[in-house]
Parts: sequence; structure tokens; C-alpha cells
Amino acid sequence: ELKVEQNPLFLSMQEGKNYTIYCNYSTTSDRLYWYRQDPGKSLESLFVLLSNGAVKQEGRLMASLDTKARLSTLHITAAVHDLSATYFCAVDLNFGNEKLTFGTGTRLTIIP
Amino acid sequence: ETGVTQTPRHLVMGMTNKKSLKCEQHLGHNAMYWYKQSAKKPLELMFVYNFKEQTENNSVPSRFSPECPNSSHLFLHLHTLQPEDSALYLCASSQGPPSGGPDTQYFGPGTRLTVL
Repeated sequence: ELKVEQNPLFLSMQEGKNYTIYCNYSTTSDRLYWYRQDPGKSLESLFVLLSNGAVKQEGRLMASLDTKARLSTLHITAAVHDLSATYFCAVDLNFGNEKLTFGTGTRLTIIP
Repeated sequence: ETGVTQTPRHLVMGMTNKKSLKCEQHLGHNAMYWYKQSAKKPLELMFVYNFKEQTENNSVPSRFSPECPNSSHLFLHLHTLQPEDSALYLCASSQGPPSGGPDTQYFGPGTRLTVL
């Protein structure tokens, strides 16, 4: 059974600081997604990582994938308040089988 | 309407009631999904439909009954639910196989269900 673990589960950080969210998964996969969820809202797709060493960046967020270590990271640079949200990683166990297993989420709060 | 829509947004029902959740996608996708999001638990996949055919039932109790009349619409029929079924129910859609590339799922706003 695929397990996807994120840490930390909760993160408070000051504006302007850098931090990293980690996503570990237990079974080989070549496809990993990052989503963002604002309180009371739905999930918004951020990144899709498709191969070992893949790196994607959008604004202050950068995601990377190491398939050998079964690890993805979401790095936040110079955090701003509007990045406060819950961030989920999700792993596609069977390539193209549409079955995503989600991590528990990391609730990020940016403090002014 | 654009993207994925869900109705109702909020629903309160008793354990003996029968209700239905509706999802509609306006993205031309072929795959649709139901997820359950409970407090302090990861998002749980419930059902997957590809081209109107159910391809995944993730050991969901029979009190949840999905229906997919066409590629744009997905329903979740509810009957004799339990209080522990209270959760946010999210619908999603994706291009589906063979997409030839990443099959990103796009989510609706969800239905907040409370079972009394």
C-alpha cells in the first residue's frame, strides 16, 4: 500500500523567511503533484513533476523531485502572507491510472 | 460556468434521508472522481469514472452510490448515512487516458456535508 507522508504538518513562518516542505512516499512513482488549498476552498494545482531531478518554479514556490529517494520538496522563498494555505502532495502510483494518493497536507501560516 | 462546479455547496441531512450531490465539469475531460476530505485525514479517493465507466471503487460503503450519465456529469447518491460520513466531498475531473502526458486533476469547490 502506498503511503505518502508530509512534514511538517503545521508551519508558522515569518514573512521574508525561507522554508521547505517535504513529501516522502513509500513506493516507486514517476509522477508527483503539488496542490494548494485555501480555507473553505477547493484544491488548486501548483506543479506536476514527471521525472527524477525535475524542478518547477512559479513565483516564490519551487518544487523538486528525487525519485530514487522517493522525496519531493516544496521550497518557499521570502514568504509573503498570501502564501498562507494548506499544501498537499499527491503521488500517482500507477502511471496514467488516475489514482492519486494524497499526503496529509501541510498547513502553512505566514506571520507578518 | 467554467471549470468544475458542485451543488449543493452545503448540505445537512438526517441519517434516514436520501440526498444527491451533483458535479459538472466544463473542461471537456473524460475522467471524473469523487473524494472525501475529513478533518485530520488525507484526501481519500472514493470513485473514478473514465468515459462514463466506473474504474475504481475504493472500498466505499454501499450507502454511497455514484452515477455518471455522461462524461460531463457525476452524481453521488446518499442514503442512510452515519454521522462519521460528515465531511467535505470533492469532485474532480481530468483528461483521463490516454492523455499522453500529466493527467492533472481539477477540483470543484466541494460540498460540505453534515449528517445529524
